[in-house]
Amino acid sequence: GENVEQHPSTLSVQEGDSAVIKCTYSDSASNYFPWYKQELGKRPQLIIDIRSNVGEKKDQRIAVTLNKTAKHFSLHITETQPEDSAVYFCAASIDTGTASKLTFGTGTRLQVTL
Amino acid sequence: GAVVSQHPSRVICKSGTSVKIECRSLDFQATTMFWYRQFPKKSLMLMATSNEGSKATYEQGVEKDKFLINHASLTLSTLTVTSAHPEDSSFYICSASGTSGRYNEQFFGPGTRLTVL
Repeated sequence: GENVEQHPSTLSVQEGDSAVIKCTYSDSASNYFPWYKQELGKRPQLIIDIRSNVGEKKDQRIAVTLNKTAKHFSLHITETQPEDSAVYFCAASIDTGTASKLTFGTGTRLQVTL
Repeated sequence: GAVVSQHPSRVICKSGTSVKIECRSLDFQATTMFWYRQFPKKSLMLMATSNEGSKATYEQGVEKDKFLINHASLTLSTLTVTSAHPEDSSFYICSASGTSGRYNEQFFGPGTRLTVL
């Protein structure tokens, strides 16, 4: 089955700096890669996703890049703010047109300090 | 739109009892629901996938007789933890996918924290 590795496990940045979280996946058939933000005791919230037919996607301060050949994808957060502090999970799945299961990475705890 | 609720949000039970957790899609029809388990400071581990009107598909290592899943309607799935033991204490989260959002998008419930004494 799919295996997703994520690093770093913790990341501390100063407010205004950029943060980068990287994930690798094992199944070359995976073609859908969402990123979730989870605050303590809360539900995961989808913040951005990318499909394998594109290499990069951006939404304001958040961007995701995908390298299918190397089987890795990354989350980039620019101009970080204290409210960006949370745990971020990457995930991978095979998008068949109907709901398919997600395999999650191990999570990155991001702390944005003032 | 695309709201998923879970009930209860917290439950404490005695060892050996059964606990039922409900997952509801409030404003869309959920053809597929997923149940996850999350230990403190850990990732989400998929337990099972359920499609409305059919039996759930369990992930390897998940006991189907212990974690009973029923997806009887397009808006409701239930997870029953039978004969709960302290090692079953965890954060259980459901997600739903269906007629809202883009296909394949999963909407997560707020989670249920189960503590077994």
